[in-house]
Amino acid sequence: DADVTQTPRNRITKTGKRIMLECSQTKGHDRMYWYRQDPGLGLQLIYYSFDVKDINKGEISDGYSVSRQAQAKFSLSLESAIPNQTALYFCATSDSGTGGTDTQYFGPGTRLTVL
Amino acid sequence: AQTVTQSQPEMSVQEAETVTLSCTYDTSESNYYLFWYKQPPSRQMILVIRQEAYKQQNATENRFSVNFQKAAKSFSLKISDSQLGDTAMYFCALNTGTASKLTFGTGTRLQVTL
Repeated sequence: DADVTQTPRNRITKTGKRIMLECSQTKGHDRMYWYRQDPGLGLQLIYYSFDVKDINKGEISDGYSVSRQAQAKFSLSLESAIPNQTALYFCATSDSGTGGTDTQYFGPGTRLTVL
Repeated sequence: AQTVTQSQPEMSVQEAETVTLSCTYDTSESNYYLFWYKQPPSRQMILVIRQEAYKQQNATENRFSVNFQKAAKSFSLKISDSQLGDTAMYFCALNTGTASKLTFGTGTRLQVTL
């Protein structure tokens, strides 16, 4: 089984709809992240969480919100989706106790299309 | 703020040959980590190799090695004995440790041909 899972893997929605992307991990990591990837660009950080009670905005948080329901679960919400939020979304995890390397491991991604 | 630059949008290499992908970065932090991730057509982001800035020795992982030039802020990836399965987008990324956030370059698309 995959260590980091994302649901759904693909989603098509309409402008104005609320949508939630979910991420679960079995790696036992304390840190979780949400990234967005647009064509021709690298990944950009939306939100990150160092533990259940610590959530922080990334570089492109406008239009998004997150919830850390448990150490293993981190969800991303688009309250009112718009077409320029069409992108590939990745969840990632890392372990703060890894001697400082803090390597991030990624889920398989969710392809979101907003019509 | 930190930046990562990959100046080669696309590269091609023949199977069994060696190819080097370039990456330069900028940060004012003294403690940081550098990574190469691979994204095949399956779109999964896969860790290829990582380098701690305080280590002088270049990291190696099987056919993958890096040339880390700290003073020049350069971090290139060498792929030896290229295989068809190496065809992918390759992203260079920087983590400055204290904030634990990855900054990515725009990627290099590598095509391995017969």
